[in-house]
Amino acid sequence: DGGITQSPKYLFRKEGQNVTLSCEQNLNHDAMYWYRQDPGQGLRLIYYSQIVNDFQKGDIAEGYSVSREKKESFPLTVTSAQKNPTAFYLCASSTRLTSSYNEQFFGPGTRLTVL
Amino acid sequence: AQSVAQPEDQVNVAEGNPLTVKCTYSVSGNPYLFWYVQYPNRGLQFLLKYITGDNLVKGSYGFEAEFNKSQTSFHLKKPSALVSDSALYFCAVLDQAGTALIFGKGTTLSVSS
Repeated sequence: DGGITQSPKYLFRKEGQNVTLSCEQNLNHDAMYWYRQDPGQGLRLIYYSQIVNDFQKGDIAEGYSVSREKKESFPLTVTSAQKNPTAFYLCASSTRLTSSYNEQFFGPGTRLTVL
Repeated sequence: AQSVAQPEDQVNVAEGNPLTVKCTYSVSGNPYLFWYVQYPNRGLQFLLKYITGDNLVKGSYGFEAEFNKSQTSFHLKKPSALVSDSALYFCAVLDQAGTALIFGKGTTLSVSS
């Protein structure tokens, strides 16, 4: 988990609320990613960003939004439009060096629960 | 379509015995393959990757993986399992665009003493 921090570790959301999950990295990586993990479904890509001020939707972007104003930071907002947000959220980063072939480093995760 | 399959939800093995966690892939062109491990309520940790070269790749904590192009497989192996190896293991492949990893659903490894 070294080099990538996620906060908070646990987050509780009431229905209709937007919440923002923090992800910060000090690895000087250009690319950052957000995944959602549900039991038995593996990791599913929500959004990713390869450079500052640019990001792309992943497989399950609906109900989520991101920003990438700084290289070190890639916050994820879970909006009220996301109907089933209870899950474990993982942030990752990677260098864009060709030799890395996108080897990703992961943060410790945030567990979001809807009350 | 690019995909990764881990056919076993759970693998059980006794401590000291060899272990294998299976992974098959479907991707156009040369595959770039990864194994990660996850302990409860933690992020994923990188174990090893196959890019090119030898079909047997050695990684962290005594793990290795065998790449088989004809069978489109990348099975994770360890000669002698430890109880501390018990965790959730993910296989992943780099997508064709080279921008993101596609993960399998994971296999839970349980090593009994």
